[in-house]
Amino acid sequence: GESVGLHLPTLSVQEGDNSIINCAYSNSASDYFIWYKQESGKGPQFIIDIRSNMDKRQGQRVTVLLNKTVKHLSLQIAATQPGDSAVYFCAEKSGANNLFFGTGTRLTVIP
Amino acid sequence: DTEVTQTPKHLVMGMTNKKSLKCEQHMGHRAMYWYKQKAKKPPELMFVYSYEKLSINESVPSRFSPECPNSSLLNLHLHALQPEDSALYLCASSQGISRTEAFFGQGTRLTVV
Repeated sequence: GESVGLHLPTLSVQEGDNSIINCAYSNSASDYFIWYKQESGKGPQFIIDIRSNMDKRQGQRVTVLLNKTVKHLSLQIAATQPGDSAVYFCAEKSGANNLFFGTGTRLTVIP
Repeated sequence: DTEVTQTPKHLVMGMTNKKSLKCEQHMGHRAMYWYKQKAKKPPELMFVYSYEKLSINESVPSRFSPECPNSSLLNLHLHALQPEDSALYLCASSQGISRTEAFFGQGTRLTVV
């Protein structure tokens, strides 16, 4: 399943499928791009970040892709599990400036 | 200990009340933050403290007054709030203000009546 940033804030996927959450960012001067996960009733939780001079970074079951040409960031979750259901925020950061959160995408995993 | 602890979890206050939100971390982080989050919206930064000094104030109304008594504690004093100030108030900390990994508390759900 795949979301298209601001136009599809909700993404539903079958358990075991891969998920792709997209984000368009605005500040080409940002040093880092970050993904946070927020479960219901909890604060955001850091997932993974990527420096602006990279185009791909992998973590455990997650991969972040950065396309600076079109100012696009994506989070890929492999073998999506029910525990992955949450709202996912992309964020950008430049130096000591604040962490600016983009609009979130709600991921729902269907068992 | 990787927790940021916020109290209270829920708060209902009248527009003439004075209340305080509290945040505590024991990770040795030197940057602490207050964010405001309305329903279905991303967190919005309010204040940043770096080494116990106010570093960023994102044009927040004076009815919100932050305080950092020491490196582990962060307070947000509330006075004469409006109903539109009802939101989830999140505290976060990081090793420094340049770090991308911030640890968030569970937030205080504030309702102003």
